[in-house]
Amino acid sequence: SQQGEEDPQALSIQEGENATMNCSYKTSINNLQWYRQNSGRGLVHLILIRSNEREKHSGRLRVTLDTSKKSSSLLITASRAADTASYFCATAAYGGATNKLIFGTGTLLAVQP
Amino acid sequence: GAVVSQHPSRVICKSGTSVKIECRSLDFQATTMFWYRQFPKKSLMLMATSNEGSKATYEQGVEKDKFLINHASLTLSTLTVTSAHPEDSSFYICSAKDFSRTDTQYFGPGTRLTVL
Repeated sequence: SQQGEEDPQALSIQEGENATMNCSYKTSINNLQWYRQNSGRGLVHLILIRSNEREKHSGRLRVTLDTSKKSSSLLITASRAADTASYFCATAAYGGATNKLIFGTGTLLAVQP
Repeated sequence: GAVVSQHPSRVICKSGTSVKIECRSLDFQATTMFWYRQFPKKSLMLMATSNEGSKATYEQGVEKDKFLINHASLTLSTLTVTSAHPEDSSFYICSAKDFSRTDTQYFGPGTRLTVL
């Protein structure tokens, strides 16, 4: 399977704490994206990091990418109860015109108020 | 941001019937749309890539005669689950690639299919 792995599978923290999720993938990539999904809903795009980038910030989100280790991390700072959701990384491979995404297994984040 | 809609959001059908799910890009043109399937508490699995005006490209293990995909216009792709069975019950999500922006896909809200 080409699917990436994420860890932890589940994470429970208190409001105000930081949450870190990790993603590992198997093939060479063009970019890596992080998505959020509330239970039973569609996906919301959070951030995209290209293969030639090492770190990117967006609000309370910080994403790192290490292409030598084929891994990425998503850090959510000062978490809120509303951040409770599943988080998925997705990789877009080099080559091909369609840029299909391969999703990781996901991390279920629960932020306790 | 760009909006992708899916219809219906939820459908319950009897075993043996066919169900059509629509995916529309509301404010942009999408030459490429993708169909995913998601089982409870699992990740998204790409089923097929739908290209406007041509045949869909199916991922390994996905039956093209079971899951018919039509992408007749730049704003609409349909997925038809033919002769549905209980094991086809799942959450189906589409995404659309913005023709004018190379890396961006926008996801629909999903369709919950339950086959009795």
